[in-house]
Amino acid sequence: DGGITQSPKYLFRKEGQNVTLSCEQNLNHDAMYWYRQDPGQGLRLIYYSQIVNDFQKGDIAEGYSVSREKKESFPLTVTSAQKNPTAFYLCASSKRTGDGNSPLHFGNGTRLTVT
Amino acid sequence: AQSVTQPDIHITVSEGASLELRCNYSYGATPYLFWYVQSPGQGLQLLLKYFSGDTLVQGIKGFEAEFKRSQSSFNLRKPSVHWSDAAEYFCAVGAPMYSGGGADGLTFGKGTHLIIQP
Repeated sequence: DGGITQSPKYLFRKEGQNVTLSCEQNLNHDAMYWYRQDPGQGLRLIYYSQIVNDFQKGDIAEGYSVSREKKESFPLTVTSAQKNPTAFYLCASSKRTGDGNSPLHFGNGTRLTVT
Repeated sequence: AQSVTQPDIHITVSEGASLELRCNYSYGATPYLFWYVQSPGQGLQLLLKYFSGDTLVQGIKGFEAEFKRSQSSFNLRKPSVHWSDAAEYFCAVGAPMYSGGGADGLTFGKGTHLIIQP
């Protein structure tokens, strides 16, 4: 079955270290996204990518970086510049972006804890 | 730009009782509307969507939602809830970027946490 795989499910890091979250999809979707979820704040868009080798900042991109070297993969790096990195991170994909009617398919998330 | 309001942060319902989760949106034209469900520690799963046509849409797991243009609402309903329905529910609105939609075309509400009492 097609889907989105995020790994690892839980991740622990010391403050000041960069950490990379993996996201892979086999749905043949063009668009991929990273969201951050904090209690009571819903989903906030970090970065999105409409096509390979292209990505755009979302609403809360500061302290994060991404790459899109392959259609299937969209890793997210949480850098030491992110002031409050502890959160639940969700990766999603859709057939396309920008037209508003492509449902998002989500991975099961990575819970990052930084101490 | 569009916006979504889910007025209820928490809702508690007895098992077997009916359920209605509220969603109000703001958008200048007819939007694309979605409901997603999130179980604890999991990603979001699409329950149903409305694009056009019949204003009552059926989804998975026995859920339905009704689009009411006059009230700018897209409330989610289920006739009889099961303990497994306990989860977080998100309403989302989609709009093309050329008309003010978000970068991902979807704007999410902050969610309603559903608690099922035995």
